[in-house]
Amino acid sequence: EPEVTQTPSHQVTQMGQEVILRCVPISNHLYFYWYRQILGQKVEFLVSFYNNEISEKSEIFDDQFSVERPDGSNFTLKIRSTKLEDSAMYFCASRGSGRQETQYFGPGTRLLVL
Amino acid sequence: GQNIDQPTEMTATEGAIVQINCTYQTSGFNGLFWYQQHAGEAPTFLSYNVLDGLEEKGRFSSFLSRSKGYSYLLLKELQMKDSASYLCAVRAGGSYIPTFGRGTSLIVHP
Repeated sequence: EPEVTQTPSHQVTQMGQEVILRCVPISNHLYFYWYRQILGQKVEFLVSFYNNEISEKSEIFDDQFSVERPDGSNFTLKIRSTKLEDSAMYFCASRGSGRQETQYFGPGTRLLVL
Repeated sequence: GQNIDQPTEMTATEGAIVQINCTYQTSGFNGLFWYQQHAGEAPTFLSYNVLDGLEEKGRFSSFLSRSKGYSYLLLKELQMKDSASYLCAVRAGGSYIPTFGRGTSLIVHP
């Protein structure tokens, strides 16, 4: 069964450093998403991406965040200058084009900012 | 915005049935999802309701009443592996982005 994959599974970084989180969505999916989940809290939407551009973004997705689809398979989330409060689990998700299509989540990247 | 409420925690016995409720307030309702999330893992899709009624899928069923802003997830023949957090998520307006509730932590004991 096709699945969303993410790398790395864990990332530890120093405050102020840049990190890039990588995702490979399901191959025939057209819509891509990033979510985050701070430990013990709810899943929060960051950004959605379709047709090589951002289609929606939340208040959390400020100027320090960016997304890119550098080739036909990868979808990346860059955090330019990490802050302590960016420590969270980051999930990538993708879905197909039908109206009732659900999102399928990757296993997540656990980011720890020290 | 959307307001989604679900109980924080529930406990149940192996082999029993448990019902996890979710209430929501939103405008332009466009679908409700239930996801299962084991600790430290990604949410996995369980069910989707957009019309009133019951959707059954094996041991899991999900019900929706749009007029009441209410859904429940019913888990039958509980197994220890069903211990997890169950997330209710609602789509509204023209957005395909679901807003997640805080989740209900279900503990299944022998």
